[in-house]
Amino acid sequence: QKEVEQDPGPLSVPEGAIVSLNCTYSNSAFQYFMWYRQYSRKGPELLMYTYSSGNKEDGRFTAQVDKSSKYISLFIRDSQPSDSATYLCAMSSPGYGKLTFGQGTILTVHP
Amino acid sequence: DGGITQSPKYLFRKEGQNVTLSCEQNLNHDAMYWYRQDPGQGLRLIYYSQIVNDFQKGDIAEGYSVSREKKESFPLTVTSAQKNPTAFYLCASSGGLLAPNEQFFGPGTRLTVL
Repeated sequence: QKEVEQDPGPLSVPEGAIVSLNCTYSNSAFQYFMWYRQYSRKGPELLMYTYSSGNKEDGRFTAQVDKSSKYISLFIRDSQPSDSATYLCAMSSPGYGKLTFGQGTILTVHP
Repeated sequence: DGGITQSPKYLFRKEGQNVTLSCEQNLNHDAMYWYRQDPGQGLRLIYYSQIVNDFQKGDIAEGYSVSREKKESFPLTVTSAQKNPTAFYLCASSGGLLAPNEQFFGPGTRLTVL
């Protein structure tokens, strides 16, 4: 069993839809949670970083962490064609810089 | 501009050759990382370095080597011992004062073995 499992998609939604991206994890030592966006043939770009259970909002993006269920989500409101990319969840333990990534979810937002 | 640079963007290698991928950062970060990305497998850690002159193996270090002689630089050599080197290679760094676990990535190098 992988330490981090991510819904593989692909996901295709119409412009303006609310998108939900999800990851589960098995390692209770993970305390830091990140979401990256990666456009085709580019390096990942950090979107959200959080270390506590609950919600964190940044513009159209909301990151949700539920440590008791070992479940994290990224919500995108009013999705745009420019949001079309691969989304990667990642997490790490305290004092140890190694990130463990999910497999990535390919999202397409069509006009 | 602060950031991470990787070169070259595309690299072609014949079987049996060693190649070195460059990674430079001017973010003053202490830690640097190399990942490999294959379709449908996310990112896998090859090597990482938390300080100059020290580095550790990641999950898939076989067939790779690194050095960390300067804080700004963390080159990766893909040796002929790596059986399936065709992949997208990503370098990252971390160590910002406010969020030391945040990793920032370079643009990547796509290596193809001919």
